[in-house]
Amino acid sequence: AQSVTQPDIHITVSEGASLELRCNYSYGATPYLFWYVQSPGQGLQLLLKYFSGDTLVQGIKGFEAEFKRSQSSFNLRKPSVHWSDAAEYFCAVGAAGGYNKLIFGAGTRLAVHP
Amino acid sequence: NAGVTQTPKFRVLKTGQSMTLLCAQDMNHEYMYWYRQDPGMGLRLIHYSVGEGTTAKGEVPDGYNVSRLKKQNFLLGLESAAPSQTSVYFCASSPEAGSQTFGAGSRLTVL
Repeated sequence: AQSVTQPDIHITVSEGASLELRCNYSYGATPYLFWYVQSPGQGLQLLLKYFSGDTLVQGIKGFEAEFKRSQSSFNLRKPSVHWSDAAEYFCAVGAAGGYNKLIFGAGTRLAVHP
Repeated sequence: NAGVTQTPKFRVLKTGQSMTLLCAQDMNHEYMYWYRQDPGMGLRLIHYSVGEGTTAKGEVPDGYNVSRLKKQNFLLGLESAAPSQTSVYFCASSPEAGSQTFGAGSRLTVL
């Protein structure tokens, strides 16, 4: 069965430090992969997505993610975190059966210290 | 430029009461979805629709019904609310080839 694992429930970084959020997926075929961000009390906003091609994907707000098929991973990175990046981050994989359905990980909550 | 709008934003119900959550999108998207979000579990798909007049079950459909009588609207109903349905509900829509756009969420508490 398809699944998405985000191993880190909470991460705290200092403002200006680099960030890497981990995501591992389970899916037999080539996956469609997504990262969404949720600010407190808000809906989910798409940061970036991978469908095919270049395995390093650039997104909004200075985020990037790298698809590594051999590791079944799609980790999210940012070279320098801003206080406004504090939020919850969700990794998702396109579900089998089409219709753009998604299977989400449990999320990683990011706190940023000044 | 509203995108996906959910109403109401907050609701408190007593066990056994019924209610309907409304989702409206103005992007002419074919597909629409209802999720629930619970702490530590991410978002789970309840039901979805791939076009006007169609609905299908997602991962956690029990206790919920949906209808899509108009392309722009997707309704989620609870016929007899239970405390286990206390959650934050998100609606999303997507074009046939594209990514999902989410609403701001509806927080439901069942006492």
